[in-house]
This record gives sequence, C-alpha cells and structure tokens, in this order.
Amino acid sequence: TQLLEQSPQFLSIQEGENLTVYCNSSSVFSSLQWYRQEPGEGPVLLVTVVTGGEVKKLKRLTFQFGDARKDSSLHITAAQPGDTGLYLCADGNNRLAFGKGNQVVVIP
Amino acid sequence: DTGVSQDPRHKITKRGQNVTFRCDPISEHNRLYWYRQTLGQGPEFLTYFQNEAQLEKSRLLSDRFSAERPKGSFSTLEIQRTEQGDSAMYLCASSGGQNYGYTFGSGTRLTVV
Repeated sequence: TQLLEQSPQFLSIQEGENLTVYCNSSSVFSSLQWYRQEPGEGPVLLVTVVTGGEVKKLKRLTFQFGDARKDSSLHITAAQPGDTGLYLCADGNNRLAFGKGNQVVVIP
Repeated sequence: DTGVSQDPRHKITKRGQNVTFRCDPISEHNRLYWYRQTLGQGPEFLTYFQNEAQLEKSRLLSDRFSAERPKGSFSTLEIQRTEQGDSAMYLCASSGGQNYGYTFGSGTRLTVV
C-alpha cells in the first residue's frame, strides 16, 4: 500500500512571505497531482506532473517533482490570504491515493 | 457543462437509518469515483466506476455501503443502517482516465446523530 506523507501538516504565515510544503511517497508515483481544498468544498486540481525533475509554475506557485519520482514540493511566493487552504498531493493511479494534506493559513 | 454535482449538500440522519447520495459527473468523463473525508484527513478512496462497471472497491466499503452507476452516467452511494462513525464528507469525482486530472464535486456532508 502506497503511503503519502505531507509536511508540515500545518503552516501559518504572514501575507507576503514565502512558503514550501512537501509530499513524499513510499513508492514511485504513477503521476503526481496537487490539489487545493477550501473548507466545505471538494479539492480543485492545481497541477499534474509526470516526468522526474519536472518543474511547473502556476502564477506564484512552483511545483517540483523529484528526479526519482517519489517526492515533490510546492513553493508559494509572496503568499496572499487567497492561498489559504488544504494542499493535497495525490498519486494519479486508478484510485487517486491522497496524503493528509498541508493546511496553510495566510494571515493578512 | 457545470462540473460535478452532488446532492444533497448536507444530510443529518438518525443512527440506523438509510441514506442515499447522488453524483452527476462531467458528461464526457467515463470514470467516476467516491471518496470519504473526515476532519484533518485527506480523502480516502471508496470505489470507482468505468462507465457502468464498478472496477474497484476499498476495504473501507463495508457491506452496509453500496454504489451504483446504472447507465454509466450518474451514480448513487447508499449507506444502510448508518452509524455515528459514518459521519464524514462524501466526495464524488470524475475523470477522463488514469493520470488525468480529477474534477470533484462539492461533497455531501453526512452527520449521523
């Protein structure tokens, strides 16, 4: 059974600061997907990465996939209150296995 | 297309009652998934369908749970004889295939009292 660990579980920062959260898998990812979830809503897909070493940027968000395809990081530059949410990484295999998430709170 | 729709958004039921939730996926997506999410946890896989075929069920899906997708379009998830431990957010998602992005609905929040 694949285990996905996300760290830190909770992160609180001031608006304008940078942050990085991490996702590690016990096995190689089929593909890696990052989602953001707001309270009372379903997760929303941010990005899918497939190739080891791949880097994708989405405005102020930078996603990096490890060379061995077993880990990933999400970096947010100049965080804004709208970035607040639960960030979930998942393996895009048949059942989309999720980690427990990184709860990010950006204080105005 | 308005995305994935789930109904109802909230359900409060007494222990021992049966409940049924509905999910309408994106029309061109052939895969449909059900997940359960409790506070502080990521979504946990329950089951998935490709068209009308139920291809996989998690061990989390006890005998009291049943899911259907009769015509390969909408799906229902029924929980019989609900227990307090069934209280959770039940999420539905659809996708166009493995390694494709998943589109989630807003979920059904179940509270068993």
